[in-house]
Amino acid sequence: ETGVTQTPRHLVMGMTNKKSLKCEQHLGHNAMYWYKQSAKKPLELMFVYNFKEQTENNSVPSRFSPECPNSSHLFLHLHTLQPEDSALYLCASSQTETNEKLFFGSGTQLSVL
Amino acid sequence: DQQVKQNSPSLSVQEGRISILNCDYTNSMFDYFLWYKKYPAEGPTFLISISSIKDKNEDGRFTVFLNKSAKHLSLHIVPSQPGDSAVYFCAASIIGAAGNKLTFGGGTRVLVKP
Repeated sequence: ETGVTQTPRHLVMGMTNKKSLKCEQHLGHNAMYWYKQSAKKPLELMFVYNFKEQTENNSVPSRFSPECPNSSHLFLHLHTLQPEDSALYLCASSQTETNEKLFFGSGTQLSVL
Repeated sequence: DQQVKQNSPSLSVQEGRISILNCDYTNSMFDYFLWYKKYPAEGPTFLISISSIKDKNEDGRFTVFLNKSAKHLSLHIVPSQPGDSAVYFCAASIIGAAGNKLTFGGGTRVLVKP
């Protein structure tokens, strides 16, 4: 079992669909993150959760809605996305939100048609 | 405005030779730097880090050098192996900053030829 597991690995959705990305970490960490990697761009931090509480929203549009029911699970709910939202979405975790060593999942490659 | 830049998008090196990856940053508040390695279809994995109180950190074949005055860091891989072929990201942060604001560079794709 890998440390951080993301599902699905690939997702194709229309602009009117609603879908969710799931992340689970088995490392006993207390902080979880969503990152976005668009083509030819650096990784961008989207959201940070520390002990289930959101501590960072990096000016992300409301069509992305995160949910963290416990320290091991993180979701990203998607609705009415735009084609420019197509990207690799990476989940990560760390011991605490001030611990710089992040452990990443394999990501969900999202295509919005 | 990118605060962390990797100006070489790709690098090709012969097996056994040295790979040198470069990274520049603009924010003088950054005091902790990391390198991550990413294979296709996998997430980035932590490789090596350095804090600003040091100018060198070594772990096996990997050495990171930090030049604070130039706001520049580099990763040396010696000797390079075919399994090192991957995309390498440098990242910078401010130690203890809430929200773990790791700022990443755009990555350098390394190809090690047998």
